[in-house]
Amino acid sequence: GAVVSQHPSRVICKSGTSVKIECRSLDFQATTMFWYRQFPKQSLMLMATSNEGSKATYEQGVEKDKFLINHASLTLSTLTVTSAHPEDSSFYICSATPPRLAGSDTQYFGPGTRLTVL
Amino acid sequence: RKEVEQDPGPFNVPEGATVAFNCTYSNSASQSFFWYRQDCRKEPKLLMSVYSSGNEDGRFTAQLNRASQYISLLIRDSKLSDSATYLCVVNRVGGFQKLVFGTGTRLLVSP
Repeated sequence: GAVVSQHPSRVICKSGTSVKIECRSLDFQATTMFWYRQFPKQSLMLMATSNEGSKATYEQGVEKDKFLINHASLTLSTLTVTSAHPEDSSFYICSATPPRLAGSDTQYFGPGTRLTVL
Repeated sequence: RKEVEQDPGPFNVPEGATVAFNCTYSNSASQSFFWYRQDCRKEPKLLMSVYSSGNEDGRFTAQLNRASQYISLLIRDSKLSDSATYLCVVNRVGGFQKLVFGTGTRLLVSP
């Protein structure tokens, strides 16, 4: 089946530092990947759509200069949280749709990255 | 009104019980519906897609009622391993592949 990986699984950093999270599709190519954020006891919220070879599209209220997304290859998208602050502490999850399900809305999720900013 | 609403629970049931969850969605033009399962501090995992005709996968049955704009999930013969949060997910109208998640319904199955 489709496998999406993320790295790191957990990161603790000091306020003001930048953190890079990687999302990889392991057995398929993904021209589009999605980045979500989930705060405790809340639902997943879509942050942005990562497009291979072009700029990401951000959801309303998500600062594109704070959450930098790069989708340089068909199997890798990165999310960089710049100048992280405690309020950015959250569970960040990426997802992708494998080619065999192209045209559907079915998404498979990576294992997530738990970010804690001190 | 939220785009997707679910009863947060928790639903506490004994092993072997049958339990049902409902979910309502606000946009009548939605076309894709899913149930995902999320374990504590883990990523969501696709449980099943939901079709107008209803679909069944082992002990799990999902149904869609477009007229009333609700989706249901029925779990028969509950197992301890079914304990998790069940997320109702609907596509965002006008946003291809964009999904809207409910906050989830928590299920606790006890021995």
